[in-house]
Amino acid sequence: QVQLVESGGGVVKPGGSLRLSCAASGFAFTDYYMSWIRQAPGKGLEWVSYISGSGDNIYYADSVKGRVTISRDNAKNSLFLQMNSLRADDTAVYYCARRHWNVYFDYWGQGILVTVSS
Amino acid sequence: SFELTQPLSVSVALGQTATITCGGNNLGNKHVHWYQQRPGQAPILVIYRDYSRPSGIPERFSGSNSGNTATLTIIQAQAGDEADYYCQVWDNYSVLFGGGTKLTVL
Repeated sequence: QVQLVESGGGVVKPGGSLRLSCAASGFAFTDYYMSWIRQAPGKGLEWVSYISGSGDNIYYADSVKGRVTISRDNAKNSLFLQMNSLRADDTAVYYCARRHWNVYFDYWGQGILVTVSS
Repeated sequence: SFELTQPLSVSVALGQTATITCGGNNLGNKHVHWYQQRPGQAPILVIYRDYSRPSGIPERFSGSNSGNTATLTIIQAQAGDEADYYCQVWDNYSVLFGGGTKLTVL
């Protein structure tokens, strides 16, 4: 069965950096785009970024462009999100999700909390 | 930029029909997908490409999309349907979510 497990969250000071990971299993990882989606406390869902199966096509939301980098290691079935220059409004639960080619998200991880606070 | 508009909240009596709308300019020209998020849990896909149901989603859930409005309909509402519901589209290489609707089952 498809499983997505995020890790790497925690508390970081404003201006700091954090790297999130997502371990995928149960499907042919290289066949799928993967995505990060976040949810600030008490707020709605916000798409962050997605990456193609080969890693060649990458898109970011304007709110994070220039501060985050999505990547993947297909040999290890892993997805990453490097976040730099973190701000308080980056505080959120970050979800790893599998993106269907028709651009919907059919499987989600359980989420990992990132808190940006001094 | 494209925007999706959802009502903040919808209430439905137990066993009755709930209707949650998602509005956007010429939304009928796009595919709309719907997610259910119960408190403290990750979202799950309940409708994709306007009206298709993933395996494991009850037939009580259905969707439609025409003109400027997409609709998620839940018939015979149950207590377990109480959750936040989000619509989502793809526009110009970006993914957009509606603001979410809290469904309360009375």
